[in-house]
Amino acid sequence: GEDVEQSLFLSVREGDSSVINCTYTDSSSTYLYWYKQEPGAGLQLLTYIFSNMDMKQDQRLTVLLNKKDKHLSLRIADTQTGDSAIYFCAASMGYKLSFGAGTTVTVRA
Amino acid sequence: GAVVSQHPSWVICKSGTSVKIECRSLDFQATTMFWYRQFPKQSLMLMATSNEGSKATYEQGVEKDKFLINHASLTLSTLTVTSAHPEDSSFYICSARGRDRNQETQYFGPGTRLLVL
Repeated sequence: GEDVEQSLFLSVREGDSSVINCTYTDSSSTYLYWYKQEPGAGLQLLTYIFSNMDMKQDQRLTVLLNKKDKHLSLRIADTQTGDSAIYFCAASMGYKLSFGAGTTVTVRA
Repeated sequence: GAVVSQHPSWVICKSGTSVKIECRSLDFQATTMFWYRQFPKQSLMLMATSNEGSKATYEQGVEKDKFLINHASLTLSTLTVTSAHPEDSSFYICSARGRDRNQETQYFGPGTRLLVL
């Protein structure tokens, strides 16, 4: 099956950029997703990228995909306190998603 | 955007009782819904995939007689935890396949926290 790995923690100063990294193992994954989970809540879809793209930008979010290395990153520009949450990377295999363990992002003043 | 609701948002029950959790797609039709379980500080574990009008497909290690799934319509799937025990306490999240700008993706509900005493 697909293995998706992420670093577990990231601490960033308010106003700086955050970069969350993710690696996956199955090169046939067609879509890669980033979800945000706030405490006690479900998952909110932030953005996704098709496997034939290498970059996607959506307001403060930039997704970079290196398909050769099976590496995905999410950059959050001008990080705010409201960005503190757990961020999950997910890779699709058909209609199923495989999730990483989540990266806890803490934004400090 | 696509909205998925879950009800109840939390439930406390006695050991041995059954608990039903509803998952609804509010503004789109979902032929496929998914049920996940999340333990504290861990990732989501897919339990089963439910297709409207047919039997659910369970992941390996998930007891289908324990976790009954019914997908009776294009907007509603239910998960019933039968004869719940304390080890069934968890955060249960559903998702529904919907279309976002011509791309099918999964939209997640807010989750249901179950505590079995």
